[in-house]
Amino acid sequence: AQKITQTQPGMFVQEKEAVTLDCTYDTSDPSYGLFWYKQPSSGEMIFLIYQGSYDQQNATEGRYSLNFQKARKSANLVISASQLGDSAMYFCAMRAADFGNEKLTFGTGTRLTIIP
Amino acid sequence: NAGVMQNPRHLVRRRGQEARLRCSPMKGHSHVYWYRQLPEEGLKFMVYLQKENIIDESGMPKERFSAEFPKEGPSILRIQQVVRGDSAAYFCASSPGLENTEAFFGQGTRLTVV
Repeated sequence: AQKITQTQPGMFVQEKEAVTLDCTYDTSDPSYGLFWYKQPSSGEMIFLIYQGSYDQQNATEGRYSLNFQKARKSANLVISASQLGDSAMYFCAMRAADFGNEKLTFGTGTRLTIIP
Repeated sequence: NAGVMQNPRHLVRRRGQEARLRCSPMKGHSHVYWYRQLPEEGLKFMVYLQKENIIDESGMPKERFSAEFPKEGPSILRIQQVVRGDSAAYFCASSPGLENTEAFFGQGTRLTVV
């Protein structure tokens, strides 16, 4: 069974500062994928970034980077130079390496509020 | 290329009625996933379907819930005899079913049972 843990229910960050959202995971699968999604108040799920368990380098997408520490089973999301529009719920998710079955296991989320 | 389309966006049903939620996957995507998000919680997997087949329904409640993905037309999540506890956001995601690809989410259907 897979499990995702997000221990920060809410965070307040000053605009333009960097922010790290924590995510730890548990799985017995040797191969897996890790995702971060953003859910603004409008409700849609927006894909941010993906990290494969065998990827040698940490994933980056614009202002988003994933700090992947495999031995610690952590996949923290780093947002650089935060903006007011970053205020949203953020979900970490995992996908098992079951080829073709891409169901995701989600954490409980972190509500990020950017303060002007 | 249109994204994953879900309708309706909002649905209100009285207790005991049926709810039908529709999901049209992205063009070229043959895999559909349904998730439920209860208020203030993360998404929980319900069911994974390919055309005319249910592949994984390990997250589906045993009663009142069913899903289909016919050869033609959208995938349907059907909830019979709805109860207040069914009030949630229901998300559909689709993927092409290739290795190392992400699933794309629709905007969700918010079901309110009154």
